[in-house]
Amino acid sequence: GENVEQHPSTLSVQEGDSAVIKCTYSDSASNYFPWYKQELGKGPQLIIDIRSNVGEKKDQRIAVTLNKTAKHFSLHITETQPEDSAVYFCAASPGNQFYFGTGTSLTVIP
Amino acid sequence: GAVVSQHPSRVICKSGTSVKIECRSLDFQATTMFWYRQFPKQSLMLMATSNEGSKATYEQGVEKDKFLINHASLTLSTLTVTSAHPEDSSFYICSARVGGANTGELFFGEGSRLTVL
Repeated sequence: GENVEQHPSTLSVQEGDSAVIKCTYSDSASNYFPWYKQELGKGPQLIIDIRSNVGEKKDQRIAVTLNKTAKHFSLHITETQPEDSAVYFCAASPGNQFYFGTGTSLTVIP
Repeated sequence: GAVVSQHPSRVICKSGTSVKIECRSLDFQATTMFWYRQFPKQSLMLMATSNEGSKATYEQGVEKDKFLINHASLTLSTLTVTSAHPEDSSFYICSARVGGANTGELFFGEGSRLTVL
């Protein structure tokens, strides 16, 4: 089955700096890669996703890149703000199932 | 995005009782819903896949008789924790896929915090 690894597990940045979270996957059949933001006590919220036919996607301060050859994808947050502090999960989907990374706790220091 | 609603958001029960958690897709039909369990500071653990009109598919290690899943309609799936014990205390989250079974986006409910005394 699919195996998704996520790094780092914790990340602290100064407000205004950029944050990068990286994930790798093992199953070449995976073709959909969403990213979720989870705030304390809440369910994960879909913030951006990318499909295997695209190399990069951007939505305001958030961008995701995908390298199919290397089987890795990354989340980039620019101009970070305190409200970006949360746990972020990546996922890979080869079909109907989703496989999640172990999460990254991001802290943006004002 | 699509809306998935869970109820209750928090529940406290005594050991030995059963608790039902509802998951509803509010603006779309979901033939498949997923139930996850999440321990503090850990990732999402898939418990089972709920299929409308048929039996749920449970992940290895998840007790079918302990966690009863019913998906009676295209907008509602329920998870019943039977004879709950303190070790069942956890954060339970449902999700549903919008669009195609293998192509749609996955949206999560708000989660349900279960505390068993």
